[in-house]
Order: sequence, then C-alpha cells, then structure tokens
Amino acid sequence: DIVVTQSPDSLAVSLGERATINCKSSQSVLYSSNNNNYLAWYQQKPGQPPKLLIYWASTRESGVPDRFSGSGSGTDFTLTISSLQAEDVAVYYCQQNYNTPWTFGQGTKVEIK
Amino acid sequence: EVQLLESGGGLVQPGGSLRLSCAASGFTFSNYAMNWVRQAPGKGLEWVSSINYSGDITNYADSVKGRFTISRDDSKNSLYLQMNSLRAEDTAVYYCAKPRHTGSYYFDYWGQGTLVTVSS
Repeated sequence: DIVVTQSPDSLAVSLGERATINCKSSQSVLYSSNNNNYLAWYQQKPGQPPKLLIYWASTRESGVPDRFSGSGSGTDFTLTISSLQAEDVAVYYCQQNYNTPWTFGQGTKVEIK
Repeated sequence: EVQLLESGGGLVQPGGSLRLSCAASGFTFSNYAMNWVRQAPGKGLEWVSSINYSGDITNYADSVKGRFTISRDDSKNSLYLQMNSLRAEDTAVYYCAKPRHTGSYYFDYWGQGTLVTVSS
C-alpha cells in the first residue's frame, strides 16, 4: 500500500499570511504515460464532507479560489494557501489515487493565529 | 445538481449487520465508478470500497475485506454497502463519493454521510 504522510499535523497562521502543507507518498504517484501525478487535496470543515480542492497535484477544481495552489511531483507535494482567510480554517487532506487502496494523509488542521 | 444521499446507518451490536444505501441524482450514474469512504469520530478519512461503472470489478480496504460487500443498481441510481460481522472499529460516518472524472478515483461530490455506531 502507498502510505501518505502529511506535515505538519497542525499549523496556526495569521490572516493574510501564507499557509503551507506538505504531503509525502511512500512511492511515486507519477503516471509516466500521461505525466500526471495522481495526488488530490481536500478541505474539510467541521460537520461537513470533504471538498475537492486540487487534483493531478496542481489542477484547481472549478470554483476553488486561486489562493489555493498545489505543486510537487513524484513523492513530494505541497498545498499552499497564499493569503489565509477566516473561511479557510479547516482540516486538509491529501490523497493518492495512483494505486488501490486509495489512501489519505492523516490530515493537517489549519487555524488562525 | 449532483446529489448523493446516504441512508441506513444506526446503532448495531458487534457481530451484527447493516446495509447502507446511497441514492444518486444529477449525473449519469451508470457511467461512474462509485466509492464508500468512512471517517471514525475525530479521525481522518479512510477509503473503504469501490465498484466500477459496470459493477463487475470491486475493491476493498484490507480492514473490511471479507466482511463488506459493495454493489450497485443502475436502474435505481443507487449504491449499496452490505456490512457484516461489524466491529467497534467500524464505527464511523460513511460517505458515498463520486469520482471527478470517469475512471478516476478522486472525488468531487460527497454525500452528507450516515453514522454507523457499533456498540453493545
């Protein structure tokens, strides 16, 4: 199984500042035939289901604010919130969809400092 | 508008059974693989099972293999999860999730979830 590990487990960022979340997979999730990284990012607010933010490591889902961006390739990925807003307080998960079982990171809780 | 509505959760004793349902609307259900993902109270997300668009290929997490069975009825736009031999560690909110693209396994629509509690 591909193990996905996020860091940090939590972080507190001032409003308007940058938040950076890292995600590392135990093996590459880059599919060489199409050069896509099979890595997605989700946001989950309390009492709500997850919301897809990013897929293929860097493709923003429709309707997601452009302050959210994804980067990385192979085994190392990053979700960046360029200017944290109050509504971004949530838990963020990465997920590899390269191989079954599809596995999620443990989550990173983002709070306001 | 895409909607996924889970039902069937509740309190069940260890060793018992439960059948979850997910009613889908707003998209061509028969074109998509479908998935169950669960979340234990206060914990992270765990993919449970998937079924391909035609219903002949299923996959399960090791934690539920041999105990859970996923199925679908395209005539009813519905997804199911039969859960047998339930354990305390199966306690979770169970989400039905739709892939963003046909053939993909990242999920753009989720239901609100149904809570399964396994306890005596």
